[in-house]
Amino acid sequence: AQSVTQLGSHVSVSEGALVLLRCNYSSSVPPYLFWYVQYPNQGLQLLLKYTTGATLVKGINGFEAEFKKSETSFHLTKPSAHMSDAAEYFCADLNAGKSTFGDGTTLTVKP
Amino acid sequence: GAVVSQHPSRVICKSGTSVKIECRSLDFQATTMFWYRQFPKKSLMLMATSNEGSKATYEQGVEKDKFLINHASLTLSTLTVTSAHPEDSSFYICSARGGTGDVETQYFGPGTRLLVL
Repeated sequence: AQSVTQLGSHVSVSEGALVLLRCNYSSSVPPYLFWYVQYPNQGLQLLLKYTTGATLVKGINGFEAEFKKSETSFHLTKPSAHMSDAAEYFCADLNAGKSTFGDGTTLTVKP
Repeated sequence: GAVVSQHPSRVICKSGTSVKIECRSLDFQATTMFWYRQFPKKSLMLMATSNEGSKATYEQGVEKDKFLINHASLTLSTLTVTSAHPEDSSFYICSARGGTGDVETQYFGPGTRLLVL
């Protein structure tokens, strides 16, 4: 069975601090991993994705994530948080015809 | 990036009536479209997957007679909530997949807020 686990439903950081949002997956086939961001009452916006190739992927707004097969992880990072980064973040595995989303992590950025 | 639109963005209806939500891929042909439901502070729940010209595949526990999905063209899918009840109130989000050279990525619409009174 395919699953995605986001550790920490709420993460709070200070403006300018490192952002780390954790995502672990479980899949019997190679995963296609995505990070999406959702602002209140809006749809999901694609941040970045990993399907094949380079394991360190860069996305929009300064975010990046590294696919680590040995750790079955795909954590999202940003070196310096901005107030506008406050939102809900979802990790997803969209391979093998299945859409599996994590429960989401709410990122709060303190001034 | 690819753009997906949804209409309406917000709808209020009376219990027992039907509501249709449209999902369009504006700048690419979507071979597959997905319909999700999102409850407050919760993740997305996949309701069904539809491929153009064929019947939708519903997830377990989703009533196909209540949530009618039509994918009549490569750019349009509709979700009709039939005989809506207050418990159907939710945020419905569609996504589309199939852009040239980017067949894995799902692009999401802005969502439709349904309130059934």
